[in-house]
Amino acid sequence: AQSVSQHNHHVILSEAASLELGCNYSYGGTVNLFWYVQYPGQHLQLLLKYFSGDPLVKGIKGFEAEFIKSKFSFNLRKPSVQWSDTAEYFCAVNAKGGYNKLIFGAGTRLAVHP
Amino acid sequence: EPEVTQTPSHQVTQMGQEVILRCVPISNHLYFYWYRQILGQKVEFLVSFYNNEISEKSEIFDDQFSVERPDGSNFTLKIRSTKLEDSAMYFCASSVREGKGDSPLHFGNGTRLTVT
Repeated sequence: AQSVSQHNHHVILSEAASLELGCNYSYGGTVNLFWYVQYPGQHLQLLLKYFSGDPLVKGIKGFEAEFIKSKFSFNLRKPSVQWSDTAEYFCAVNAKGGYNKLIFGAGTRLAVHP
Repeated sequence: EPEVTQTPSHQVTQMGQEVILRCVPISNHLYFYWYRQILGQKVEFLVSFYNNEISEKSEIFDDQFSVERPDGSNFTLKIRSTKLEDSAMYFCASSVREGKGDSPLHFGNGTRLTVT
């Protein structure tokens, strides 16, 4: 069965610190990979996605993620976080060519202190 | 930017009562979904819906649950007889196409259902 693991449940950083959130997935076939963000009181928003091609994908607000197929990983990075990045971040996968049955990780709650 | 809207934002109901959660997907989207997140747990897929039919459902989506697109704009999730364990945040989502790789989901703000 598909599963997604996010290694950190809570991360606390100061502004300007670099961020890396880990995500590993378990699935035997080809997948699409996503990072969603949920700001306090708001809906899940797509940060970035990987479908094929360059394994380093760039998303909104300066975020990027790298797909490493051999490690089944899709870690999210940002070189310098801002207070406004305080949110919960969810990694998700779905089977390529299938229905949009997204499998989510447990989420990582990021708090950025000014 | 078009949004998926959900109403109400918070619903409190007594165990055994029926509830209907409402969603208005983005207007040109064709695929609709419900997900839920029990407090402290993962966001879980419930059901996907296309062309007035359920295309896939999870084991969570038992006979107590049903979905409907009663008109051209609304997409509803009905829970017939709520249980305490149905308390969760319910997210509606829509996409233009299925997950063929180029059609990500757009989520609503969620409805927090509390069953007492």
